[in-house]
Amino acid sequence: AQTVTQSQPEMSVQEAETVTLSCTYDTSESDYYLFWYKQPPSRQMILVIRQEAYKQQNATENRFSVNFQKAAKSFSLKISDSQLGDAAMYFCAYRAPLDSNYQLIWGAGTKLIIKP
Amino acid sequence: DSGVTQTPKHLITATGQRVTLRCSPRSGDLSVYWYQQSLDQGLQFLIQYYNGEERAKGNILERFSAQQFPDLHSELNLSSLELGDSALYFCASSVNAGDGETQYFGPGTRLLVL
Repeated sequence: AQTVTQSQPEMSVQEAETVTLSCTYDTSESDYYLFWYKQPPSRQMILVIRQEAYKQQNATENRFSVNFQKAAKSFSLKISDSQLGDAAMYFCAYRAPLDSNYQLIWGAGTKLIIKP
Repeated sequence: DSGVTQTPKHLITATGQRVTLRCSPRSGDLSVYWYQQSLDQGLQFLIQYYNGEERAKGNILERFSAQQFPDLHSELNLSSLELGDSALYFCASSVNAGDGETQYFGPGTRLLVL
């Protein structure tokens, strides 16, 4: 069965610095999708970035980028120039294949603290 | 703002009661998903509807049911409520139900069972 692991329950970073959140997953599929979602204190779930496994190029959205290592089944999120508004829970999610009805499988989350 | 709306935002009720949570997907989205998030935990997938039909079931209790109406809004019904049902319930929507679909989440309904 597919699983998603976020090994860092909590991370902290100084404002304006760079931080990397880790995510690993287990799958036997070759085509799949990976996502990072952000959940601020308001608890709204906000899409940060997504990656298609068939693309070798790492996805980037402004200050957010991923390091996708398919062979290692690793999908880390890098946040550059951290801002106070980045403080949130960050969830990594994997899109399961057709036989699991494409459901999202979620990691346990990493709480990101931004120090001013 | 994701374009997904959920009502009510907050709900307080007693054990044994029944409640209905409502979700309106983004304009044009055919697929609706329901998730439960208990305190300080990740999301648990409950159920998915696509264009009015049930598409997939996750860890949904028999006391819970859902439906998607012809106008594509969805309702999640929770009955015989227990203290452990207290959680944040999210609705998400996507254009279709394919594997590359990004799900956009509503603001959630906070349910407190006393």
